[in-house]
Amino acid sequence: AQRVTQPEKLLSVFKGAPVELKCNYSYSGSPELFWYVQYSRQRLQLLLRHISRESIKGFTADLNKGETSFHLKKPFAQEEDSAMYYCALSGRANFGNEKLTFGTGTRLTIIP
Amino acid sequence: DGGITQSPKYLFRKEGQNVTLSCEQNLNHDAMYWYRQDPGQGLRLIYYSQIVNDFQKGDIAEGYSVSREKKESFPLTVTSAQKNPTAFYLCASSQPKGQGYEQYFGPGTRLTVT
Repeated sequence: AQRVTQPEKLLSVFKGAPVELKCNYSYSGSPELFWYVQYSRQRLQLLLRHISRESIKGFTADLNKGETSFHLKKPFAQEEDSAMYYCALSGRANFGNEKLTFGTGTRLTIIP
Repeated sequence: DGGITQSPKYLFRKEGQNVTLSCEQNLNHDAMYWYRQDPGQGLRLIYYSQIVNDFQKGDIAEGYSVSREKKESFPLTVTSAQKNPTAFYLCASSQPKGQGYEQYFGPGTRLTVT
């Protein structure tokens, strides 16, 4: 069974301060992890995936297999980062299309 | 902002009635998914389909049914057997992993059953 845990439902951070949204997972195989974001009145969309090892909008996330974590980080928060963030894990389904297991989400609020 | 459309945006039904939510995509994606989003519970997978005329149960399929007769369409029926149907429903689609894996989401349908 696969499971994704986001321990913080709400997180408030001052503008310019560092941000870290926590994500822990449970999966018996080799995981693929993602962060999805939902801005106010917008659709849920992919922010970044661990296999790309990229930085999007200043956010990065490193997969730590030892700690089974995939925390999302940004060194300096901006007001436009306020949104709902979901961590997700893909599990192998039939034919190669993975289905995603989502965490419960963290609502990030940036305080001006 | 095309890609995936869901209709209607808001839907109201009386308890005991079946209701069908529409999901259409013009991205030529093979796979489509239905999720339910409840406060504090994140997104939970209801059904998914990886190819036309085939679909699989997700984690919370009880009380729901789907069909996939066309590649671009994946309607979800919320039946009277679903105990807590009031929720926000999201549809998504994706290509197979080898072509770049990302799920694209629709705007959602908020269903209220009274």
